[in-house]
Amino acid sequence: GENVEQHPSTLSVQEGDSAVIKCTYSDSASNYFPWYKQELGKRPQLIIDIRSNVGEKKDQRIAVTLNKTAKHFSLHITETQPEDSAVYFCAASRGGNQFYFGTGTSLTVIP
Amino acid sequence: GAVVSQHPSWVICKSGTSVKIECRSLDFQATTMFWYRQFPKQSLMLMATSNEGSKATYEQGVEKDKFLINHASLTLSTLTVTSAHPEDSSFYICSAREYATYNEQFFGPGTRLTVL
Repeated sequence: GENVEQHPSTLSVQEGDSAVIKCTYSDSASNYFPWYKQELGKRPQLIIDIRSNVGEKKDQRIAVTLNKTAKHFSLHITETQPEDSAVYFCAASRGGNQFYFGTGTSLTVIP
Repeated sequence: GAVVSQHPSWVICKSGTSVKIECRSLDFQATTMFWYRQFPKQSLMLMATSNEGSKATYEQGVEKDKFLINHASLTLSTLTVTSAHPEDSSFYICSAREYATYNEQFFGPGTRLTVL
């Protein structure tokens, strides 16, 4: 099955700095890679996703890059704000049939 | 749009009893629903995938006779934890996928199960 690894497990940045979270996956057939933000006690919320036919996608302060050859993808958050503090999960999916999650990154943005 | 509800939001039960958790898509037809388990400060672990009208597909290591999943309609899936034990205590989250959006899944708010 698919194995998704995520690094780092914790990340602290100063407000205004950038944050980068990296994930690797093992199944070359995976073709959909969403990123979720989960606040304590709440459901995961999709923040951005990328499909395997695209190398990069950006939405305001958030961007995701995908390297299919190396089987890794990354989340980039620029100009971080305290409200960005949360746990972020990457996931890999083969056509949306099953989703396998990374281990999560606890991001703290220090005001 | 794309709202998923779960009921109950939390439940406490005695060891040996069974607990049913409902997952509903409120404003769309969910062709596929997923059930996850999440331990404190850990990731979401996919337990099973259910398609409406067919048997659920369980992930390796998940006991299908203990975690019964039924997806009887396009808006409802249920997870029944049978003969619950304290080690089954966890946060259970469902998600639903709409045919039109194909890849994207929408999460329910989760159910906190505590087995005494």
